[in-house]
Amino acid sequence: QQQVRQSPQSLTVWEGETAILNCSYEDSTFNYFPWYQQFPGEGPALLISIRSVSDKKEDGRFTIFFNKREKKLSLHITDSQPGDSATYFCAAIASSSFSKLVFGQGTSLSVVP
Amino acid sequence: GGIITQTPKFLIGQEGQKLTLKCQQNFNHDTMYWYRQDSGKGLRLIYYSITENDLQKGDLSEGYDASREKKSSFSLTVTSAQKNEMAVFLCASSITGGNTLYFGAGTRLSVL
Repeated sequence: QQQVRQSPQSLTVWEGETAILNCSYEDSTFNYFPWYQQFPGEGPALLISIRSVSDKKEDGRFTIFFNKREKKLSLHITDSQPGDSATYFCAAIASSSFSKLVFGQGTSLSVVP
Repeated sequence: GGIITQTPKFLIGQEGQKLTLKCQQNFNHDTMYWYRQDSGKGLRLIYYSITENDLQKGDLSEGYDASREKKSSFSLTVTSAQKNEMAVFLCASSITGGNTLYFGAGTRLSVL
């Protein structure tokens, strides 16, 4: 059973557009949600994260919007650049779990010049 | 900063073969992890270890063994490679109880 779901599986946007990546979860005890970015041939790296007490987290062109009631969050990438082309993983963890992050299946983003 | 080194980068095996993947980290982190990455399925936890000589099973431990010989190294063994299996195995580390994982570049496995 997939506890963290991402959509779409793949996304193509033009350079300069806003890319929106979606994530939903089932476990109401999840309270920390990191997003990882993975370039081809590399391991994932932490991009941005949010705790459930917040509804928005911004870091430059990357913003997480969080809706606790609906158990949904989204990653917005504004002014998308070709260098943003990568796979993005949404993950979740509950404070009661010992470092057992649950990952979504990923969204592959392509930014076309 | 630190780095996680995984060897080998590419591994080609035969059906039924026992295969070993190695991981070294110089972050001085206590906790280390092995994940399997399949296309369209995200990352699934195989084993993790919170200290030297400790082993904890993840959701996908069947068919694998692991060994934490010392703090800086964590090995994963595929006990019997499955024909046509293709996946990327990712090693990661974190501080104890930390939520940020630092990943290596992965070992790409193909089984003929």
